[in-house]
Amino acid sequence: KAGVTQTPRYLIKTRGQQVTLSCSPISGHRSVSWYQQTPGQGLQFLFEYFSETQRNKGNFPGRFSGRQFSNSRSEMNVSTLELGDSALYLCASSYLTDTQYFGPGTRLTVL
Amino acid sequence: SQQGEEDPQALSIQEGENATMNCSYKTSINNLQWYRQNSGRGLVHLILIRSNEREKHSGRLRVTLDTSKKSSSLLITASRAADTASYFCATDAFTGANSKLTFGKGITLSVRP
Repeated sequence: KAGVTQTPRYLIKTRGQQVTLSCSPISGHRSVSWYQQTPGQGLQFLFEYFSETQRNKGNFPGRFSGRQFSNSRSEMNVSTLELGDSALYLCASSYLTDTQYFGPGTRLTVL
Repeated sequence: SQQGEEDPQALSIQEGENATMNCSYKTSINNLQWYRQNSGRGLVHLILIRSNEREKHSGRLRVTLDTSKKSSSLLITASRAADTASYFCATDAFTGANSKLTFGKGITLSVRP
C-alpha cells in the first residue's frame, strides 16, 4: 500500500495570509490526525478526524481548522498566519485507534 | 503539554554498542509507542506496546513497559550508523472513541562509525 502523502512538501507564506495543507491517508484508514512540530514546543496534537467528524482537538487557537472528506482525505487550514506558525506539519493515519503512520510532513515558513 | 519525558536528551555511542533510551509519562495509557525521525522528516513507527504487556521485541529493538512506574525503555542492540536519528515516545490515552498521541521532546541518538 502507498504510504501517507502530504502536499505541498514546502510552503512559504507571509504573515496574515492563510494556508491549506492536504493529507491523503493510507488506503482503508479512516482516522487522520494532524500534529505540529516546532523546535520549542516539540510535537503537538492539533486534531483528529474519523469518518468526516472531528473526534478530538488539541489546544490550538481557532485559526487552526480542518476537515475530512468522504474518501478520508483531510485538509487543515491556518488563517491569519503568524510567525510562530512556522513549523513542520505532520499528518498521520490509522486503521482503528492503534498505530499511527505518518506522512513526510509539510514544512511551512511564515515570513 | 508533554506527557512523555525522554531520558537522556542526547546520546552518543559507538557503532556496535547498545543504546538505551527511557521515557516516563504521567497519566494512565492504553499503549505506548516509539517513533524515529530522521532530520526533520516524517516519523517512522518503530514499536507499540500495550498497557497489559511488559516487554516486546522487534528485530534489534526491545521495549519494556512498567505501568506501576509509568515508564518505558527502548533498547537498540548492535547499533549502526543508520540508527542516528531522533527517537520519540508517544502515549495513547485512548478512552472511548477518542484518542490522540502525546509525544515527548525526543532523544537525539548519534551512532559514530
